[in-house]
Amino acid sequence: DAKTTQPPSMDCAEGRAANLPCNHSTISGNEYVYWYRQIHSQGPQYIIHGLKNNETNEMASLIITEDRKSSTLILPHATLRDTAVYYCIVRVGGSARQLTFGSGTQLTVLP
Amino acid sequence: DAGITQSPRHKVTETGTPVTLRCHQTENHRYMYWYRQDPGHGLRLIHYSYGVKDTDKGEVSDGYSVSRSKTEDFLLTLESATSSQTSVYFCAISELSSGPNTDTQYFGPGTRLTVL
Repeated sequence: DAKTTQPPSMDCAEGRAANLPCNHSTISGNEYVYWYRQIHSQGPQYIIHGLKNNETNEMASLIITEDRKSSTLILPHATLRDTAVYYCIVRVGGSARQLTFGSGTQLTVLP
Repeated sequence: DAGITQSPRHKVTETGTPVTLRCHQTENHRYMYWYRQDPGHGLRLIHYSYGVKDTDKGEVSDGYSVSRSKTEDFLLTLESATSSQTSVYFCAISELSSGPNTDTQYFGPGTRLTVL
């Protein structure tokens, strides 16, 4: 799995968009970008994933650069309940094996 | 949210006693996983299953065994618990598909185990 780099922490005002960056410069052509988050003491929660096109679901949007070396997770209207550690994971799709979580980004949504 | 439950949610036990944690799913997913999470180590895979009675070791399998006698249940057993096995244990499930949800893992709420 390709290595990812995320800032250790970020703050965001409640109601504003939260933009979480991730660098994955060694990503291979068959590797997907996954995003999970973990709210304190809870199980990791799947957010979104993509291969090369931008993706959107009810939780977030994922923007992947054209060269696929970086991506941004966007929470359009952050709430206090979005305070969590966000993990960017790059891995081959369809592999049914271990997810490797790095250090992630601690997002704190401020009132 | 995926239908995954874990039991018990909290357990305190003594060194040397056997402990079994249960993961139950209602999604009929083929793959099930057991992870442990410790400060400074992130999530580490203990064992996983790719079908009924089909299991394999993960990164930190020593001291743990698993069983899967039916699709919906995956049991993790600590034959003789040690203090180093104090951790939070998460179960996850996934299903392979050719569509956009390929291999997404969904996690349960976790079991907090303390071994005294």
